[in-house]
Amino acid sequence: GAVVSQHPSWVICKSGTSVKIECRSLDFQATTMFWYRQFPKQSLMLMATSNEGSKATYEQGVEKDKFLINHASLTLSTLTVTSAHPEDSSFYICSARDAVQGALIAYNEQFFGPGTRLTVL
Amino acid sequence: KNEVEQSPQNLTAQEGEFITINCSYSVGISALHWLQQHPGGGIVSLFMLSSGKKKHGRLIATINIQEKHSSLHITASHPRDSAVYICAVAGGGADGLTFGKGTHLIIQP
Repeated sequence: GAVVSQHPSWVICKSGTSVKIECRSLDFQATTMFWYRQFPKQSLMLMATSNEGSKATYEQGVEKDKFLINHASLTLSTLTVTSAHPEDSSFYICSARDAVQGALIAYNEQFFGPGTRLTVL
Repeated sequence: KNEVEQSPQNLTAQEGEFITINCSYSVGISALHWLQQHPGGGIVSLFMLSSGKKKHGRLIATINIQEKHSSLHITASHPRDSAVYICAVAGGGADGLTFGKGTHLIIQP
């Protein structure tokens, strides 16, 4: 149980285009999803926290108009990189958390998607 | 903001050796995660701790809340354990994780 998928796993796009990345919790309801990114040889950094049905909370330095997050259902969050530029090339990872403690999932435990590698030419 | 420090940054060991990776953080937390990242980038959650000790197979994780320190141990290490091991903390009201820079582990046959 507790599987999170991401799509696509990799994407190459031209500068100026928009790219949408999907994050799905497959066997649990994710009241909260997190979006992280990792530049080469650097640590993962939190970009934003997304709660179902409400606006995402962005970390300092992350442009909310550039990185659009939608968490419209309890199993799906999307990250859209608008007008992507080469400096947006990175590894984007989502994680999902179920706030309800159940038999298999402890409170506060996060489950990670496999990541999406974005290359902007 | 929590500062998460890991040591060592790089570790090369022989198969069978006992491995220890350390993590310290600066601000009180609600939970600490140990994660494993393989070359392709995918992340596997190994442990989530808020106190004490957890064991899963050859992996053991401990945490000392008072000292703000955690360790990840690997017993009878194997080449397939080669990966980057990352410590991440979840603080109080902040839900998102703050990550250490990772420890790049190589186990040689």
